[in-house]
Amino acid sequence: DADVTQTPRNRITKTGKRIMLECSQTKGHDRMYWYRQDPGLGLRLIYYSFDVKDINKGEISDGYSVSRQAQAKFSLSLESAIPNQTALYFCATSDFRTSGSNEQFFGPGTRLTVL
Amino acid sequence: GQQVMQIPQYQHVQEGEDFTTYCNSSTTLSNIQWYKQRPGGHPVFLIQLVKSGEVKKQKRLTFQFGEAKKNSSLHITATQTTDVGTYFCAGPHSGYALNFGKGTSLLVTP
Repeated sequence: DADVTQTPRNRITKTGKRIMLECSQTKGHDRMYWYRQDPGLGLRLIYYSFDVKDINKGEISDGYSVSRQAQAKFSLSLESAIPNQTALYFCATSDFRTSGSNEQFFGPGTRLTVL
Repeated sequence: GQQVMQIPQYQHVQEGEDFTTYCNSSTTLSNIQWYKQRPGGHPVFLIQLVKSGEVKKQKRLTFQFGEAKKNSSLHITATQTTDVGTYFCAGPHSGYALNFGKGTSLLVTP
């Protein structure tokens, strides 16, 4: 969805480096999410935020941290990247406040490779 | 959150054949969503089912929610090459986050 953008789109880094993946949305949605996708494992929830002051751990939060800088921005950090964090990362949003729905709108993804 | 299991993992069909993917949960789901991800793309919402026994259709796609709200299916009639992709079901996780199944990858050959 063009209204949800992720930067960078591709990133190669080395073990031990700190990495930040950024997500921005112009949809005005209140809820934002970070998922990682690995072949054969589907989409796994890392963190989610229901508003700026609300951050929740998902299924696989170890080794990750997040920051909700504003309603429109949700960043994912890898403090010390390791090779098994190599994956495709998706940001998503949903508009619960006005629609009561948890239909999720995904960004284009960031492909991260940790060497 | 509830875990959702999805089968099969892969399906290869000839164009024109039908396709079905199944989603099962050990616990009752308040709702279930379906998404499609084209190769190289991102997941895109298809539909949400809420009611027990609900059946919804979108052209050649038929979605069902089981009577016990523990299972769901997506059936595609007469597949086309444009149906290629991975189909995911997703159940609720801790208040409006989602638990995704591992997906069914559909390959359609002409």
